[in-house]
Amino acid sequence: ETGVTQTPRHLVMGMTNKKSLKCEQHLGHNAMYWYKQSAKKPLELMFVYSLEERVENNSVPSRFSPECPNSSHLFLHLHTLQPEDSALYLCASSQDWGKQGGGYTFGSGTRLTVV
Amino acid sequence: DQQVKQNSPSLSVQEGRISILNCDYTNSMFDYFLWYKKYPAEGPTFLISISSIKDKNEDGRFTVFLNKSAKHLSLHIVPSQPGDSAVYFCAASASNYGQNFVFGPGTRLSVLP
Repeated sequence: ETGVTQTPRHLVMGMTNKKSLKCEQHLGHNAMYWYKQSAKKPLELMFVYSLEERVENNSVPSRFSPECPNSSHLFLHLHTLQPEDSALYLCASSQDWGKQGGGYTFGSGTRLTVV
Repeated sequence: DQQVKQNSPSLSVQEGRISILNCDYTNSMFDYFLWYKKYPAEGPTFLISISSIKDKNEDGRFTVFLNKSAKHLSLHIVPSQPGDSAVYFCAASASNYGQNFVFGPGTRLSVLP
């Protein structure tokens, strides 16, 4: 596979559940990102990893926990979420973080519904 | 307060005509701008970019114009095609902020046959 792949595509979870979102990129990029897109709102940056180290955490609640075990994989671990966390979660990658030029390659997203 | 605004949530255009999508920003430090296109059930895909050293960038049917003094950019699609129907996001970044782009809320373009 090429590009950025996210699994699962859809996820319904209860507020007491623990689940994980997975992102994989086969582009040789050094930076990976988690974005949240809520209905009728702009994309919100959640986390940035550069060379497997977290470089940004945009005041995201601790019920969201990212993990980047290597430069190709990024996870978002979820626990005790709230209904307002229901959104489209997008993973993206770019060649390098901290340099302008080009843009992101996005995955197709995980549509999360918290019930 | 949104730093990147796309004040038209939706736009309808006849096939073959010009589509103009607008974007305004408030942060004068922004110096690099991108447009993304998003189809339903897919992630956004990069369309075209422009640096603040330019006022125009063209790629096929797509042209982006930047007016720095007005803090305004626009995307022109000529001629519009039904396959262009999608949500278009404007994004901006500042050179001292790397690739942390700030996105607008998007404009849904419908190109009518």
